[in-house]
Amino acid sequence: EAGVVQSPRYKIIEKKQPVAFWCNPISGHNTLYWYLQNLGQGPELLIRYENEEAVDDSQLPKDRFSAERLKGVDSTLKIQPAELGDSAVYLCASSLDQGGTGASNEQFFGPGTRLTVL
Amino acid sequence: TQLLEQSPQFLSIQEGENLTVYCNSSSVFSSLQWYRQEPGEGPVLLVTVVTGGEVKKLKRLTFQFGDARKDSSLHITAAQPGDTGLYLCAGVLKGGYQKVTFGTGTKLQVIP
Repeated sequence: EAGVVQSPRYKIIEKKQPVAFWCNPISGHNTLYWYLQNLGQGPELLIRYENEEAVDDSQLPKDRFSAERLKGVDSTLKIQPAELGDSAVYLCASSLDQGGTGASNEQFFGPGTRLTVL
Repeated sequence: TQLLEQSPQFLSIQEGENLTVYCNSSSVFSSLQWYRQEPGEGPVLLVTVVTGGEVKKLKRLTFQFGDARKDSSLHITAAQPGDTGLYLCAGVLKGGYQKVTFGTGTKLQVIP
């Protein structure tokens, strides 16, 4: 079974340019997450989708970041315009959530996109 | 502000040594997960603990959930170079949906 696919793996852009990242989750996974991860630190949630609905985008800087998951499958995260401080790894994860039990369902992560803003 | 603080932040040890990583919070979690992340890859789930005081073992790794479900520890016995990586705890908060918050991370290097 294919894992979470992300592209591109690496992206180098100049500040003020736009950039987009793409994620294809594991087939059948209804929940999709975008995280930002700085070197050596834990991932920080940007947005969480359940199917096509964004259920938590409280940490998404909406002045420059946007995301979509139009058909409830793959997703795109966009930054426009990019700033130097946006340099980080952008991780996508998916899970098959089955309701509110005490044990949260496992998140499967993609390899990430490493963004460098010059 | 990170809800989950991990310590130590960095750890470099010789092969064969034991180590413990701590994950602490003032929040109560319904469950807690531990992930390991290798360079250039995404985190991979190691274990989920659900009950206060629960202990789970995965070969040389022992995970414990605090009695009050606010903290957790990961103990590695006889560390191997293959254990090298970034260890992340992740707490699941009760609420409208099960929000997962990752810890600050512990970077482990095991030297052969």
